[in-house]
Amino acid sequence: AQSVAQPEDQVNVAEGNPLTVKCTYSVSGNPYLFWYVQYPNRGLQFLLKYITGDNLVKGSYGFEAEFNKSQTSFHLKKPSALVSDSALYFCAVRDMRNQAGTALIFGKGTTLSVSS
Amino acid sequence: NAGVTQTPKFRVLKTGQSMTLLCAQDMNHEYMYWYRQDPGMGLRLIHYSVGEGTTAKGEVPDGYNVSRLKKQNFLLGLESAAPSQTSVYFCASTLSGAPGANVLTFGAGSRLTVL
Repeated sequence: AQSVAQPEDQVNVAEGNPLTVKCTYSVSGNPYLFWYVQYPNRGLQFLLKYITGDNLVKGSYGFEAEFNKSQTSFHLKKPSALVSDSALYFCAVRDMRNQAGTALIFGKGTTLSVSS
Repeated sequence: NAGVTQTPKFRVLKTGQSMTLLCAQDMNHEYMYWYRQDPGMGLRLIHYSVGEGTTAKGEVPDGYNVSRLKKQNFLLGLESAAPSQTSVYFCASTLSGAPGANVLTFGAGSRLTVL
């Protein structure tokens, strides 16, 4: 079965500290992985993606993610958190089943709270 | 450039009533999706479309119908609303199914409450 797991419902960090939001996946074949962010009462916004190539992917707003095939993980990271980074973060993987077209399978989301 | 526009943004229904959510995109995207977002459950795919005139079921299609009569519009219908359909609904679109092209553009969401 194809799935995405975000093991933490909430991550709390202090402003200026590094942050990590965890994601593991289960798919058949090579994964296409994504991170999205949702601010309150807004739609999801794309942050970054891994398709192939370098395992360290850089995205918007200073975020990056590390793809680890052996651990089937795609953790989101940022060296120095900002209060404005507080939001709901979703990890997603492309659904490789033919009948689902190009739809994404989303994790349950992780709430990031950055304190000043 | 409006992107993906959803209407209405809020709606309250009584059990058994029907309604239609409209999604419109102005990016000439081929693929469109309807997701629902529920607390602690992430986003789940309801229906999707890979082009004008096509629709297909996603993970949670029961109780919903869709139509894609025009490329830019994707309608989600509830024929007989139930409290279990209380949710936030998101429409999304993407240009094509090419590998790496799955950067979905999302609308702002439609919050539906069924009493």
